[in-house]
Amino acid sequence: GIQVEQSPPDLILQEGANSTLRCNFSDSVNNLQWFHQNPWGQLINLFYIPSGTKQNGRLSATTVATERYSLLYISSSQTTDSGVYFCAGGSQGNLIFGKGTKLSVKP
Amino acid sequence: NAGVTQTPKFQVLKTGQSMTLQCAQDMNHNSMYWYRQDPGMGLRLIYYSASEGTTDKGEVPNGYNVSRLNKREFSLRLESAAPSQTSVYFCASSGEAGAYNEQFFGPGTRLTVL
Repeated sequence: GIQVEQSPPDLILQEGANSTLRCNFSDSVNNLQWFHQNPWGQLINLFYIPSGTKQNGRLSATTVATERYSLLYISSSQTTDSGVYFCAGGSQGNLIFGKGTKLSVKP
Repeated sequence: NAGVTQTPKFQVLKTGQSMTLQCAQDMNHNSMYWYRQDPGMGLRLIYYSASEGTTDKGEVPNGYNVSRLNKREFSLRLESAAPSQTSVYFCASSGEAGAYNEQFFGPGTRLTVL
């Protein structure tokens, strides 16, 4: 099956810093999503991005489908950005999740 | 619009007990999914239902059964709970199964099996 690798596994930032999270896939996917899991465990949809680039406020994402990777950019980070960021992808509807990047933003 | 709702939020069971986790969506989606999340891990698919009347196994189906009661509701049953089933369970839905459909998740059920 498809393998999903996320990097880095852990990231500590000072408030206001920028960061890039990466997601690599072992095979082609045609469904790709980024999620933020907040400290209360809730999964929040960030982007549905099987290809191309999208932006939403301080967050943006780029997927290069031909090279099987996706990037999530967080600019001017805030303490409320803390939590775990997951990417997930699949080719047949069900999603395969990576193990996540745990982000801690310090004030 | 409540989106995807799950009940209960928390549950503690003893080994061998049974229970049913309930999930409902009000987005008129055709496809529904059950995932589990273990500590430090991403989510893993247990079962899914591509459309009303159909169900299929995911990556980790052993020890679980599902019922797609109608288009809105998809339940997950543990017939004889085991400590290895201690986890957080998430239900999700999407417009259609297959490609090109964003999944939306419920708030989760935190289950502990003693």
